[in-house]
This record gives sequence, structure tokens and C-alpha cells, in this order.
Amino acid sequence: EDKVVQSPLSLVVHEGDTVTLNCSYEVTNFRSLLWYKQEKKAPTFLFMLTSSGIEKKSGRLSSILDKKELSSILNITATQTGDSAIYLCALPMDSNYQLIWGAGTKLIIKP
Amino acid sequence: DVKVTQSSRYLVKRTGEKVFLECVQDMDHENMFWYRQDPGLGLRLIYFSYDVKMKEKGDIPEGYSVSREKKERFSLILESASTNQTSMYLCASRPPGTPYGYTFGSGTRLTVV
Repeated sequence: EDKVVQSPLSLVVHEGDTVTLNCSYEVTNFRSLLWYKQEKKAPTFLFMLTSSGIEKKSGRLSSILDKKELSSILNITATQTGDSAIYLCALPMDSNYQLIWGAGTKLIIKP
Repeated sequence: DVKVTQSSRYLVKRTGEKVFLECVQDMDHENMFWYRQDPGLGLRLIYFSYDVKMKEKGDIPEGYSVSREKKERFSLILESASTNQTSMYLCASRPPGTPYGYTFGSGTRLTVV
């Protein structure tokens, strides 16, 4: 059975800290791995990873895929209160790109 | 700015009521989706639609139905609301042929009392 497991489920840190969020997966046919950020209601797309070892970067956020370990990490450096959100990991299950989602990591950044 | 609009942000309904959740997108996307989101469980797919009048069951369709009479509108129907359907409901749309083009609505927090 395909599944996506994120850890930790919640995390509280102070502004300026660096955080690492994890996503582990088991899928029949790997196509890609997606990261989303959900601040208030609507998840918004962050990264899509397809190749192992290639880092995707956007400002203070970066992500990398390890196909050997069946996992991905999302790093956020110099965190700000605006980074507080739920971070979701998802993978397409089939050729129609239906997504299977992890439970998310709720990140709280304290000033 | 492209949008997926859900008609209600918060909704309180009584057990046994028929509930309609509306979703409209302005991106001319073929694919539309209804998810529910519960703490610790992530997003779970209820129903999706690839085109007008087409619908497919997702992982948890029981107790729900959908309607897609027009391309831009995808409605989720709770035939007889129950307390275990209290949840956040998210609508999304996506163009064909890509896994990352999902655009989500702002969600409807439904409470069934």
C-alpha cells in the first residue's frame, strides 16, 4: 500500500533557528515528490523533486530527494514568524497524477 | 490572478441535513478535486472529476456525492450530514498532464452538530 509519512508532526522553534522537516514514502512507481506550504487555508506549491541528490532552492527554503532512502527533507534557514505553517509532502500515485499526501508537519516559529 | 473559490469559509449544520459545498475555478481546468483534511491524517481524496459530468471516487467517498454540470463548478454534497463529517474541506483544480499544477481553494470548515 502506498504511503507517505512526515516527521515530526509538529515543531516549535525560535526565530532565526534552522529546521529540517522529513518526508518518507513508499509508492509503487515513483514519479516525483511535491512539497506544499499551508499557511491559513489553501496549500501553495513549493517544490517538485524528481532526481535524487539535486537540491531545489527558493530563498531560505531548500529541499532534496534521496531515492535510495525513499525520503526527502525540507530545510528552512533563519526562520521567521511568517514561516509558521503546515508543510505537506505529496507524491503522485499513478499516471493521472492523483496525489497521496502525508499528514503534514505543523511548524510554529516563536518571536 | 487565477482562483479557486469555495462558497463558504465556515459552515455549521445539523445532523441529517443535506449540505452543499460549492467550488468554482476560473482557470478552465479539466480536473477538479474534493479533499477533506483532518489533523494527523493529512488530505484525503473524496471525489474527483476529469471533465464535465464525469466523476470518480477517491479514497473516502462514503457519505458524499458530487456534481459537475459545468466545467468551472464542482459541488460536494453530503446527503445526510453526520458528526464524523466535521472537517476542513478543500477543493482543488489542476490542468491535465502535470502533478504540480494544483490550485487550492481556501477551504470550508464544516461543523456538524
